[in-house]
Amino acid sequence: SQQGEEDPQALSIQEGENATMNCSYKTSINNLQWYRQNSGRGLVHLILIRSNEREKHSGRLRVTLDTSKKSSSLLITASRAADTASYFCATDQGAQKLVFGQGTRLTINP
Amino acid sequence: GAVVSQHPSWVICKSGTSVKIECRSLDFQATTMFWYRQFPKQSLMLMATSNEGSKATYEQGVEKDKFLINHASLTLSTLTVTSAHPEDSSFYICSAKSRTDTQYFGPGTRLTVL
Repeated sequence: SQQGEEDPQALSIQEGENATMNCSYKTSINNLQWYRQNSGRGLVHLILIRSNEREKHSGRLRVTLDTSKKSSSLLITASRAADTASYFCATDQGAQKLVFGQGTRLTINP
Repeated sequence: GAVVSQHPSWVICKSGTSVKIECRSLDFQATTMFWYRQFPKQSLMLMATSNEGSKATYEQGVEKDKFLINHASLTLSTLTVTSAHPEDSSFYICSAKSRTDTQYFGPGTRLTVL
């Protein structure tokens, strides 16, 4: 079952602005991963953050994890038109498999 | 990042036929691969976990006799949709788990059953 919930479901911003997406989950996790999916394509791995980590950076991406609140956020700074995609969080809850959130559809307007 | 390929990228078949989809990890060995299904504008739903050299573990509600999974080597897993029907039309995506726990996804296969 899909336990992750993402907020907002859709986000539309102007190019150059920052985009923030949130993910909540219900059970304890080993790690949380963020992925990007362009329409009709596969998923591209963005960042993995482990349960003992609080923040990670990768280029224009910043991910935070608050295990006490069971939530994570993905921040994309200085957005570009090419960032337009759906973004999914996925939690590793053990048993090797990932549980995906419903995703946030991000649109960057030029 | 690591590369996972899928073949074919799209397939159209007649109702009642079987379709095989291949998933390969190109530059790393994956003892565990996963098969997902995705409907338009929806998230991924895990169908089964494929372990090299052993039987796949299917999620609740997934028919193991309809979706046959074979993980013959550390770099190849196959999903065969048997006796496909129009309701099986979907986007099928595989992933392979690396030693660092990251799952790398293939580009997906779009199946259309007429």
